[in-house]
Amino acid sequence: KAGVTQTPRYLIKTRGQQVTLSCSPISGHRSVSWYQQTPGQGLQFLFEYFSETQRNKGNFPGRFSGRQFSNSRSEMNVSTLELGDSALYLCASSISGTPDEQYFGPGTRLTVT
Amino acid sequence: EDQVTQSPEALRLQEGESSSLNCSYTVSGLRGLFWYRQDPGKGPEFLFTLYSAGEEKEKERLKATLTKKESFLHITAPKPEDSATYLCASSQAGNTPLVFGKGTRLSVIA
Repeated sequence: KAGVTQTPRYLIKTRGQQVTLSCSPISGHRSVSWYQQTPGQGLQFLFEYFSETQRNKGNFPGRFSGRQFSNSRSEMNVSTLELGDSALYLCASSISGTPDEQYFGPGTRLTVT
Repeated sequence: EDQVTQSPEALRLQEGESSSLNCSYTVSGLRGLFWYRQDPGKGPEFLFTLYSAGEEKEKERLKATLTKKESFLHITAPKPEDSATYLCASSQAGNTPLVFGKGTRLSVIA
């Protein structure tokens, strides 16, 4: 069974640009969560989607947004990039829609210059 | 505010030297306590979920335990391949998102 896939794996952007990251969950998983990981703050929750609906949202500015498609694939978008947005962005899927047994993808390493 | 604190930040062990990692949490109405392992350049890998005080779960050289305020990850006779960052996370009742600690970076030296 294929795991969670994220594209692209690495990305370099300039301040002020926008970026879209993609996540394909494990087949049959309907819940997708996004996290930002930085050395200083650790893993921080961005948002969670279940059956195309945003169920939870973390404490991030409105520049961070996401969506989920009918096939459970999800995208997150960051507009007007700032240097502090440089991080590893991880998505995780679960079959049950609860946090139990979330399976993480390898992440997208975003560098903002 | 829910908080998860892990200690120590880093731990260096000789191969075969058993030890424990600590995860203390302050959350009202704990739904679950989760342990993950993360290797460099990879996403976290799920290890265990604990739901109630007194519960224990084991996997190879790892055993996770839970009390009302803390969880421990015991590593028995570790090997170099156990070197990784170990993350714990808590979840409140109602399918709230996971709150992660900052992790313990474990190095096992042959």
